[in-house]
Amino acid sequence: ETGVTQTPRHLVMGMTNKKSLKCEQHLGHNAMYWYKQSAKKPLELMFVYNFKEQTENNSVPSRFSPECPNSSHLFLHLHTLQPEDSALYLCASSQEWGYTFGSGTRLTVV
Amino acid sequence: GQQVMQIPQYQHVQEGEDFTTYCNSSTTLSNIQWYKQRPGGHPVFLIQLVKSGEVKKQKRLTFQFGEAKKNSSLHITATQTTDVGTYFCADGGSQGNLIFGKGTKLSVKP
Repeated sequence: ETGVTQTPRHLVMGMTNKKSLKCEQHLGHNAMYWYKQSAKKPLELMFVYNFKEQTENNSVPSRFSPECPNSSHLFLHLHTLQPEDSALYLCASSQEWGYTFGSGTRLTVV
Repeated sequence: GQQVMQIPQYQHVQEGEDFTTYCNSSTTLSNIQWYKQRPGGHPVFLIQLVKSGEVKKQKRLTFQFGEAKKNSSLHITATQTTDVGTYFCADGGSQGNLIFGKGTKLSVKP
């Protein structure tokens, strides 16, 4: 365990489904992040939250909707996804420097 | 936008050989971070470099930050099979949001 826990580890969903990814950290970090990792692209920053406030939305399509109810929890709500959204979704947290990543959710959209 | 270029994309070495990956930016980096991702795993923070010309060592790993703070390198001496994985550099950025390079995938033949 890294201190950042992501569930589920694997998810298969249809294009009309609605699902949510969950991330939880008990490291006392103030910032949390969602990254997308595809096979042929670098790690892509999706969303940033600092002290529960969203500080960055990196031009992510509206079918991805983040939620940060408190500084320990982060969600990524998914709806009407496309097959090209299949990827590893990584959550991370940080305090000053050095990100701690979760194990990720391997998402497959069919 | 800000990009960090990483080379080579792939490196295959015989166990015991040395390995180096390079990270370059067209603009001055505020800091550079290095991460390792094992196959099937998630990125794990290795180190952060902040100062111009900084050199840090972790056992067989040597990290360097260029004098102009536009490039960095990671050198592994006498590789072992446990070194297998993808090594990422990341620009810490002025706001602390990491921008990752595409990574160098290292394979080690026993």
